[in-house]
Amino acid sequence: GNSVTQMEGPVTLSEEAFLTINCTYTATGYPSLFWYVQYPGEGLQLLLKATKADDKGSNKGFEATYRKETTSFHLEKGSVQVSDSAVYFCALSGANSKLTFGKGITLSVRP
Amino acid sequence: DTAVSQTPKYLVTQMGNDKSIKCEQNLGHDTMYWYKQDSKKFLKIMFSYNNKELIINETVPNRFSPKSPDKAHLNLHINSLELGDSAVYFCASSTGPDSGNTIYFGEGSWLTVV
Repeated sequence: GNSVTQMEGPVTLSEEAFLTINCTYTATGYPSLFWYVQYPGEGLQLLLKATKADDKGSNKGFEATYRKETTSFHLEKGSVQVSDSAVYFCALSGANSKLTFGKGITLSVRP
Repeated sequence: DTAVSQTPKYLVTQMGNDKSIKCEQNLGHDTMYWYKQDSKKFLKIMFSYNNKELIINETVPNRFSPKSPDKAHLNLHINSLELGDSAVYFCASSTGPDSGNTIYFGEGSWLTVV
């Protein structure tokens, strides 16, 4: 079946540091890939997505590239802000748009 | 304007009770979902409806029963609540069941069973 593996957390960074959150997947066929973000006490918001190999999703300074050869969709940001503190979920979409999520990783950014 | 709205946002109830969570979307979407987030923040799909027809039914106790009266609504009824049902329940919707469609989530309903 489909699965998503995220790096273990939590992650704590200083403001303006570079961020990488690793995500790899196992899937049949050609899934679409997503990053969702959950701010404290809130629901899930789509951060970015990519629907085919080599696509790059980007939003709010975050980027991720769909790498079919390494089955990865790593999230990066060049300079994080305190307001980026949240839980980040990598997910893939399979049949019937069923989302399979990774375990999530908590990011804390210090001023 | 809230796209996917759920009520109630917080619910504290005793074991053995029956409760419902309501969900409405004003996006004109055809597909709606229920996801459960446990205490470790792990998210897992429970159900999905497309045009009021059940298309995903994961391994969920039959105490959980979804109801879709129309395309804009998907309610979740839970019978005989147990301590382990304590979680955050997210309603969501998308334009259709195709992979690649963005899924829009509500703000969640925090259920605590005591």
